Amino acid sequence: EIVLTQSPATLSLSPGDRATLSCRASQSVNSGYLAWYQQKPGQAPRLLIYGVSARATGVPDRFSGSGSGTDFTLTISGLEPEDFAVYYCQQYSGSPWTFGQGTKVEI
Amino acid sequence: QVQLQESGPGMVKPSETLSLTCTVSGGSLRNNYWSWIRQPPGKGLEWIGYVYSSGSTNYNPSLKSRVTISLGTSRNQFFLTMRSVTAADTAVYYCARHPGYADSWGPGTPVTVSS
Repeated sequence: EIVLTQSPATLSLSPGDRATLSCRASQSVNSGYLAWYQQKPGQAPRLLIYGVSARATGVPDRFSGSGSGTDFTLTISGLEPEDFAVYYCQQYSGSPWTFGQGTKVEI
Repeated sequence: QVQLQESGPGMVKPSETLSLTCTVSGGSLRNNYWSWIRQPPGKGLEWIGYVYSSGSTNYNPSLKSRVTISLGTSRNQFFLTMRSVTAADTAVYYCARHPGYADSWGPGTPVTVSS
């Protein structure tokens, strides 16, 4: 099983700041099969990024994904008030598909 | 735009069987993967397993012995059956279209395991 470790657990920032979220895998994530989700309280997660860097439909271009192998990053350039939420990474390179434990971006 | 909606009992007794339904609208189950994912209160996401439109399945080994995911026969539905539940199975259960990455989610249904 591929274990994903996200850091930091909590990121305290202000609107307009740049957020950098890390996701590290216990073994290589092949073919770039890594996704990022945003979850707000009481809501289902929302797909932001798939294939490491492809933005899902309707996702603003302030969200970007990068990385390869075992190290991946979600960057939010210029936080908007609606971006304060919990973010999860997920790999689909190997079974079982697994999620990281989440990073909370708070004001 | 495909939409998903979970349904099922909000409470199940310990040792009993949990059964949930996911109804898909605005699209077909054809040629895609359909997952169940759960989230215990205040915790992260756990993938339970998927069913492909052909009926083939793949489960998380941690739950495989207790779980069955299956397709409906006449409607755009798929199902989750989880046997011998305990309090640790208390969670919000989501269904999702999930071809590797989950691009459409239901709103989730809370399930509490309690006597």
